[in-house]
Amino acid sequence: QKEVEQDPGPLSVPEGAIVSLNCTYSNSAFQYFMWYRQYSRKGPELLMYTYSSGNKEDGRFTAQVDKSSKYISLFIRDSQPSDSATYLCAMSGSGGYQKVTFGTGTKLQVIP
Amino acid sequence: GAGVSQSPSNKVTEKGKDVELRCDPISGHTALYWYRQRLGQGLEFLIYFQGNSAPDKSGLPSDRFSAERTGESVSTLTIQRTQQEDSAVYLCASSIPGNIQYFGAGTRLSVL
Repeated sequence: QKEVEQDPGPLSVPEGAIVSLNCTYSNSAFQYFMWYRQYSRKGPELLMYTYSSGNKEDGRFTAQVDKSSKYISLFIRDSQPSDSATYLCAMSGSGGYQKVTFGTGTKLQVIP
Repeated sequence: GAGVSQSPSNKVTEKGKDVELRCDPISGHTALYWYRQRLGQGLEFLIYFQGNSAPDKSGLPSDRFSAERTGESVSTLTIQRTQQEDSAVYLCASSIPGNIQYFGAGTRLSVL
């Protein structure tokens, strides 16, 4: 079993839809939870990160962490064609140097 | 520099040849990471450098892979006697230790 599981998609939605992207994990030591966006032929760029459980909102994006269920989500409201990309979840422990473990990524296509 | 710079952006080589990939981190970032991203897969950690500390090489898949970094500047990842399974995108990231990783655009390696 992988430490981080993420549905690879592809996920195709109409413009304006609410998108839900999810990851599950098995390592209870994970404390930092991140979402990266990766456009084709580009490196990943950090979208959001949260520490421990809870919600975080930034514009059209909301990140949720449920540590009891070992489940994290990224919601995108009013999705736009420019949101079309691969979204990778990533996690790490806390305290000093910690390796970051990435999910496989979910490919999202927003259709105009 | 403005961001993490990687070169070359694309590399095509023949099986058995050696290749060298280069990463220029963001100025002031003492931490540097190398990852491998195979098609349709997540990021696979390879190696981590932090200042003058001994690097964490635990992710290097075989002794054909090696990496060097001089101080807090450029890093090179060398793959000797390349195999077809080495074909992937090799991503470099840099950060202030324990902080957000910023990625380069990657080097797309194709081994024929």
